[in-house]
Amino acid sequence: GDSVTQMEGPVTLSEEAFLTINCTYTATGYPSLFWYVQYPGEGLQLLLKATKADDKGSNKGFEATYRKETTSFHLEKGSVQVSDSAVYFCALSGSSSGSARQLTFGSGTQLTVLP
Amino acid sequence: DAGVIQSPRHEVTEMGQEVTLRCKPISGHDYLFWYRQTMMRGLELLIYFNNNVPIDDSGMPEDRFSAKMPNASFSTLKIQPSEPRDSAVYFCASSRKGQLTNSPLHFGNGTRLTVT
Repeated sequence: GDSVTQMEGPVTLSEEAFLTINCTYTATGYPSLFWYVQYPGEGLQLLLKATKADDKGSNKGFEATYRKETTSFHLEKGSVQVSDSAVYFCALSGSSSGSARQLTFGSGTQLTVLP
Repeated sequence: DAGVIQSPRHEVTEMGQEVTLRCKPISGHDYLFWYRQTMMRGLELLIYFNNNVPIDDSGMPEDRFSAKMPNASFSTLKIQPSEPRDSAVYFCASSRKGQLTNSPLHFGNGTRLTVT
């Protein structure tokens, strides 16, 4: 079945540092890929998405590129802020009719940014 | 847009008791999902509905778990009897019809359940 493997955390960075959170996936066909963010005490929010190979999703300074050859969707940000402290989840939705409406999540990566 | 509303935010109960979690999806959304989040297993999809009809409940762990959606604006997840291993954060999410890339999930703030 489909699966998502995420870089284990927690990750602690200083403000303005460069961020990379690795994500690789296993899926049949052509899944869509997502990054969700969860702030303390809240539900998950969609951060960015990509639907096909070489697509780059971006939002709030975060970027991720859909790499089919390496089955990866790594999240990056050039300069993190304290307000970026949260848990980040990589996820995919399958390409078949049965799996297209279901998200498979990675285990999540806790990011803490220190001032 | 009030967002997905879940209640209660926190629930503490004793083993063997019945627990009911509630969810009000965003108005106009056709899909409703129940997820469970634990440290050990991460986020797991329990069940989802389309137009109030359960479509896939293969993630429901046991017969102790049941979910209903009597109308488009309300859903419940019930655990009877509850056990300590059911302790988790339970999220409800909703979305419009269409692919998830165009109709993303909107999550509620979750219910933190503790079973002692």
